[in-house]
Amino acid sequence: GAVVSQHPSWVICKSGTSVKIECRSLDFQATTMFWYRQFPKQSLMLMATSNEGSKATYEQGVEKDKFLINHASLTLSTLTVTSAHPEDSSFYICSARPRVGYEQYFGPGTRLTVT
Amino acid sequence: QQQVKQSPQSLIVQKGGISIINCAYENTAFDYFPWYQQFPGKGPALLIAIRPDVSEKKEGRFTISFNKSAKQFSLHIMDSQPGDSATYFCAASMMIGAQKLVFGQGTRLTINP
Repeated sequence: GAVVSQHPSWVICKSGTSVKIECRSLDFQATTMFWYRQFPKQSLMLMATSNEGSKATYEQGVEKDKFLINHASLTLSTLTVTSAHPEDSSFYICSARPRVGYEQYFGPGTRLTVT
Repeated sequence: QQQVKQSPQSLIVQKGGISIINCAYENTAFDYFPWYQQFPGKGPALLIAIRPDVSEKKEGRFTISFNKSAKQFSLHIMDSQPGDSATYFCAASMMIGAQKLVFGQGTRLTINP
């Protein structure tokens, strides 16, 4: 149980285009989902927290107009990187927290490369 | 005060040995301490977690030791195996509010056969 999926697993896009990443909790309802980015050999950096049906809360320094987050249902959250630039290239990981309990379950990650 | 400091940065252990990774925190409001294992190109996987009302928790070969007064906790991997070679992250959060995880810097563990 407690499986989180992400799609796509990797994506290459041209500079200036937008990319959407989906995060789904497959076997539980997630009241809260989190989005992280991770650079090579570094720790996870929280970008934003989203609750179903409400606006995402962004961490300091994260551009909310660039990284659009939509938590449309209790099993789906999406991250859209708008007007992507090469410096947005990174490993993006989502996590989901069930209604009950304190655990966060992570997705497999999405590798974004902007050329 | 939100930081979690993790050490060592990298660790090499012989097969069958004990791997020990340490973490320290400052915020006494933290009350949930999970450990995650991450393989290259994959998302982190929850290994084991502890709350501050217990000093030790064991699941299979993995044990968390927790010292509330010292604000430190550690992961022990007994009988370490080559398949345990991965990056390990400790984390901390508060069980109320947003429950955001604060991660340590990570430890790259290599188990030599």
